[in-house]
Amino acid sequence: GQNIDQPTEMTATEGAIVQINCTYQTSGFNGLFWYQQHAGEAPTFLSYNVLDGLEEKGRFSSFLSRSKGYSYLLLKELQMKDSASYLCAVRSSGGSYIPTFGRGTSLIVHP
Amino acid sequence: DAGITQSPRHKVTETGTPVTLRCHQTENHRYMYWYRQDPGHGLRLIHYSYGVKDTDKGEVSDGYSVSRSKTEDFLLTLESATSSQTSVYFCAISESKAEWNTEAFFGQGTRLTVV
Repeated sequence: GQNIDQPTEMTATEGAIVQINCTYQTSGFNGLFWYQQHAGEAPTFLSYNVLDGLEEKGRFSSFLSRSKGYSYLLLKELQMKDSASYLCAVRSSGGSYIPTFGRGTSLIVHP
Repeated sequence: DAGITQSPRHKVTETGTPVTLRCHQTENHRYMYWYRQDPGHGLRLIHYSYGVKDTDKGEVSDGYSVSRSKTEDFLLTLESATSSQTSVYFCAISESKAEWNTEAFFGQGTRLTVV
């Protein structure tokens, strides 16, 4: 099976930078996803990492270290609209090949 | 926006009654999934389908059945609803399992309350 761990809740200030961590244990790692989910809405895709390193996309970046079973999502220049849950999901090459989701991190951005 | 619609969006039902949730897509994607989302548990896969009449179990399939008689529709049935099945249910679609990062989309969710 897979074990995915991320903080339950984080708070940050508008304009600041926040890093949301995700650690995982899995056999046959085959990709890590980050999704954003606003309250009462559907999850939407943010990023995908399968190789080590940093993937940058505008204000959002995602980092992966396969040897450490670790990823983070970095949000820069925080805006109030970034208040949402951030879901980490891991896919393994065995089994169904469908990503397994962590419990999500609720980010609250304060003015 | 991807063409994926869930119905109903909200439902309250009594314990022991059957309930069917519908997911309808207009993308002609091969894969369809049903998840439930609960506080403290995140999104958990219930069942998925990889084609018409082809389905498989997910992580939390007990108490649920599914059917897919047409490419565009994937039904989730609770044969006898229990309070533990109170949850928000999300449908998702993808053309393949390999391309989740570019092709997977979620519906808006169905909030089900079993009283």
